Amino acid sequence: DAKTTQPPSMDCAEGRAANLPCNHSTISGNEYVYWYRQIHSQGPQYIIHGLKNNETNEMASLIITEDRKSSTLILPHATLRDTAVYYCIVRVESAGNKLTFGGGTRVLVKP
Amino acid sequence: DSGVTQTPKHLITATGQRVTLRCSPRSGDLSVYWYQQSLDQGLQFLIQYYNGEERAKGNILERFSAQQFPDLHSELNLSSLELGDSALYFCASSVAPGGKGKDTQYFGPGTRLTVL
Repeated sequence: DAKTTQPPSMDCAEGRAANLPCNHSTISGNEYVYWYRQIHSQGPQYIIHGLKNNETNEMASLIITEDRKSSTLILPHATLRDTAVYYCIVRVESAGNKLTFGGGTRVLVKP
Repeated sequence: DSGVTQTPKHLITATGQRVTLRCSPRSGDLSVYWYQQSLDQGLQFLIQYYNGEERAKGNILERFSAQQFPDLHSELNLSSLELGDSALYFCASSVAPGGKGKDTQYFGPGTRLTVL
């Protein structure tokens, strides 16, 4: 699986958009970008995923650059409950389908 | 609520003992995954089952084993426990064995294992 690089931490003001970057310069054509988050010690929560096109759902938007070497997760209006560790994962289609978690970005939303 | 359930929530046991962790996947999901999260190792994939068959293995110790039953629930058995096995154990489930990028894994709330 392609390796991802994320900033270890970032702060965000409540009510503002949070933009979380992820670099995946070795990504291959059939590899998807997934985002999960983990609030404290709860189970990781699926947020969004994409291959080439930008994606949006009720939780967030995912912007993938044209060369697919990086992506940005956007939380449009951060709330205190969005404080969590956010993981960017590049997953290749394989029989195993395992997720390889890196260190993630610890996001602190401040009032 | 992801729809994946795990029992027990907490487990405290002694070194050398054996424990069983249980996971029930979301309704309709055929694939179950086990992950371990310890303080120094982060979240690591252990093993995957699909419709009762082992599909993939990760960093799972020989002292650990798992199985998926006909009703699709899964159990992770940990034996000869050591202090270092203390961790959060998460189960995840998905519809299919993987592929197409659409087979999203949904995680349960986890079991916190403490080995004293």
